Amino acid sequence: AQTVTQSQPEMSVQEAETVTLSCTYDTSENNYYLFWYKQPPSRQMILVIRQEAYKQQNATENRFSVNFQKAAKSFSLKISDSQLGDTAMYFCAFSGGGADGLTFGKGTHLIIQP
Amino acid sequence: EAGVAQSPRYKIIEKRQSVAFWCNPISGHATLYWYQQILGQGPKLLIQFQNNGVVDDSQLPKDRFSAERLKGVDSTLKIQPAKLEDSAVYLCASSFGPGPPNEQFFGPGTRLTVL
Repeated sequence: AQTVTQSQPEMSVQEAETVTLSCTYDTSENNYYLFWYKQPPSRQMILVIRQEAYKQQNATENRFSVNFQKAAKSFSLKISDSQLGDTAMYFCAFSGGGADGLTFGKGTHLIIQP
Repeated sequence: EAGVAQSPRYKIIEKRQSVAFWCNPISGHATLYWYQQILGQGPKLLIQFQNNGVVDDSQLPKDRFSAERLKGVDSTLKIQPAKLEDSAVYLCASSFGPGPPNEQFFGPGTRLTVL
């Protein structure tokens, strides 16, 4: 079974700063997908960014980028130029190849201070 | 494009009562998931449907939880009888098909409180 670990229960940074959220995972699979989901206080979970394990290049979506270290089984999320609207719970998630259900970490509560 | 719809948004029941939640996925999405999110934790997969067939229900407490997906579209999740530890947010998600990249779209959830 896969496990996902997020070791930072809460983080707080000033607006416009850069912040990095950590995630490690454990799997015996070679082909899989990793995701970061954002859950604002309204609770609608939305996808921030995803990474296919077979791709060496780190995924980037505007201010959001990942540092994917396959050998270390590490998948961190970097948010540049943080904004007040980035305040939310952030969940790291794993999915095996195909349409497997997601295995989530416990989440990191990110607070952006004005 | 309409998102994943869920109802009710909130439900309060007493232990040993029954409750049902409804989910309408995004039109055309073949795969539907139910997750349980206990306060302070990440969501946990309960059951996954591909059209109207069950793909994975290994984490569904089958002595009290049941789910169905009629005609491969809407789905209901039922708890009978409820226990205190069932208090959680129940999230429904859908994705287009069985293949990658498997982006799942989530509904707003149903918050269940069991007294």
